Amino acid sequence: QSALTQPASVSGSPGQSITISCTGTSSDVGSYNLVSWYQQHPGKAPKLMIYEVSKRPSGVSNRFSGSKSGNTASLTISGLQAEDEADYYCCSYAGSSTLGVFGGGTKLTVL
Amino acid sequence: QVQLVESGGGLVKPGGSLRLSCAASGFTFSDYYMSWIRQAPGKGLEWVSYISSSSSYTNYADSVKGRFTISRDNAKNSLYLQMNSLRAEDTAVYYCARLVVVPAANDYWGQGTLVTVSS
Repeated sequence: QSALTQPASVSGSPGQSITISCTGTSSDVGSYNLVSWYQQHPGKAPKLMIYEVSKRPSGVSNRFSGSKSGNTASLTISGLQAEDEADYYCCSYAGSSTLGVFGGGTKLTVL
Repeated sequence: QVQLVESGGGLVKPGGSLRLSCAASGFTFSDYYMSWIRQAPGKGLEWVSYISSSSSYTNYADSVKGRFTISRDNAKNSLYLQMNSLRAEDTAVYYCARLVVVPAANDYWGQGTLVTVSS
């Protein structure tokens, strides 16, 4: 399966909101509510931020929210903070006998 | 608290083998599916493999099928990845992770272990 498509970079100022898109196909994002999002700071392991499109794990700030429309999932971060600057990856289930497929990653810069 | 600690990475020549280990603690290891996910230097994430809680089911990326074998020992709270016929393109940080939604989301990750395949 092909990687999901994410913008290479997005930026925003502290306090603003940003949205990162994740575009797949009718075989992955469009068919299952099994999209997850990960945050990765340089040199660190990824951290799960959103699963099953819009659910937040315990301990993740409610400034992070997820949604999906058709073949595109989105991660929205509201009230941007300096510590949100990181790489973000989406991942989607793509059907039986497959592994999840990741997006190429988006670098978020907080100006 | 949940902890996953990988080991076994290093420098290996093309065609060589390496066995990665992941020691789990802080949760009931035998209740969870587990994953190996890798990240080449400066690149994105690639899901390599996952294994069911009882080892009855495994799945692999096409890029490693037939060369890598995932396994686990629930008595030792350990996950393994046997990597054979290694290629330069297998160079990456390898993370073990706990699958919280099968097979779609990994909630805890180790710190990773670097595998470098080079002559």
